[in-house]
Amino acid sequence: NAGVTQTPKFQVLKTGQSMTLQCAQDMNHNSMYWYRQDPGMGLRLIYYSASEGTTDKGEVPNGYNVSRLNKREFSLRLESAAPSQTSVYFCASREYGHLNEKLFFGSGTQLSVL
Amino acid sequence: AQSVTQLDSHVSVSEGTPVLLRCNYSSSYSPSLFWYVQHPNKGLQLLLKYTSAATLVKGINGFEAEFKKSETSFHLTKPSAHMSDAAEYFCVVSDMRTAGNKLTFGGGTRVLVKP
Repeated sequence: NAGVTQTPKFQVLKTGQSMTLQCAQDMNHNSMYWYRQDPGMGLRLIYYSASEGTTDKGEVPNGYNVSRLNKREFSLRLESAAPSQTSVYFCASREYGHLNEKLFFGSGTQLSVL
Repeated sequence: AQSVTQLDSHVSVSEGTPVLLRCNYSSSYSPSLFWYVQHPNKGLQLLLKYTSAATLVKGINGFEAEFKKSETSFHLTKPSAHMSDAAEYFCVVSDMRTAGNKLTFGGGTRVLVKP
């Protein structure tokens, strides 16, 4: 099925552990995004990638790194997880144009850091 | 810089009555605007989008939104609420001239529908 695929769906980490959240889209989109969602704060942008090989910081990049090695995949890495990174993470990709702009979201990753 | 303000963090309506969710935006250029819905423990689903065509946009499930440039608003409405409309709603803005760049989300409005 076409769309955005995120893995894993759930993860529990201990403080200081590292992990990578994977995201892939098969719609040939240039732009991809990582958001975190926290109660009462909506979705906040962590990092985004306007095209293959480029990445830029969003609102809340501290504690994260990203990698856009090819057009399909955009991964998010936590090098040393902290309890403040407990959140739900969403990956998105975007098709844009004057009359045809769409944003597609993955199903989310629920991360708990103990 | 662009920003989005959803004026109500919570809205409570009775089933069968109208729903109004308010959104104001700030954008340097002609914006694209979206409304997304998120049901409990689910991902985000697109309700509707505005991309400089008609100012009144019709979406799924009976929702519609009107783009008012003079008021920098993009309020979401539905004539008659249904129990299944209980969810969180997000207004999103994107500058078309910076289409490869970031999207900005509002803080969300949680809708409660009473029987």
